[in-house]
Amino acid sequence: EPEVTQTPSHQVTQMGQEVILRCVPISNHLYFYWYRQILGQKVEFLVSFYNNEISEKSEIFDDQFSVERPDGSNFTLKIRSTKLEDSAMYFCASSDKLAGDYSYEQYFGPGTRLTVT
Amino acid sequence: KNEVEQSPQNLTAQEGEFITINCSYSVGISALHWLQQHPGGGIVSLFMLSSGKKKHGRLIATINIQEKHSSLHITASHPRDSAVYICAVRLFGWYQGAQKLVFGQGTRLTINP
Repeated sequence: EPEVTQTPSHQVTQMGQEVILRCVPISNHLYFYWYRQILGQKVEFLVSFYNNEISEKSEIFDDQFSVERPDGSNFTLKIRSTKLEDSAMYFCASSDKLAGDYSYEQYFGPGTRLTVT
Repeated sequence: KNEVEQSPQNLTAQEGEFITINCSYSVGISALHWLQQHPGGGIVSLFMLSSGKKKHGRLIATINIQEKHSSLHITASHPRDSAVYICAVRLFGWYQGAQKLVFGQGTRLTINP
């Protein structure tokens, strides 16, 4: 069964460093998402991406964040200068195209646990 | 006020018990998802609903659009069902582009043998 994959599974970085979290969405999916979950809190939307551009971003997704689909298969989240509060689990998800007003299911990757020290 | 509220926040039960987890939302939605998150952190999609009821094995999900309420039921619960169950909604009206989900805070379920 197709699945979303993410690398690395765990990333430890020092405050101020840049990190790139990588995702390989399901191959025929057109919509891509990043979510994050701070330990003990609920999952929060960061950004959605379609047709090589950002569709929507949350207020969390400030100038230190960027997303890219560099080669048609990978989908990356870059955090330019990490802060302690960026420590969280980051989930990538993908979904198929819209059909009318009914969304297709979002499929989640296993997550990357980012620890900023 | 949270757009998606789940209850209870924590639930402990004995193996074999019938489990119900509730989700209420305050916004117009086009779909509701039930997700399962295991201790390792990974998220698995269980159901996506826009009306009525769905069943997979021992899991049943229902939704009442008029009452803005959904329930997840587990029959004959087993210790392997122990996980965090999360309700998430897709807001109504997003015809273009991607469709972000808005999440509840999750219900931590523990099934004791």
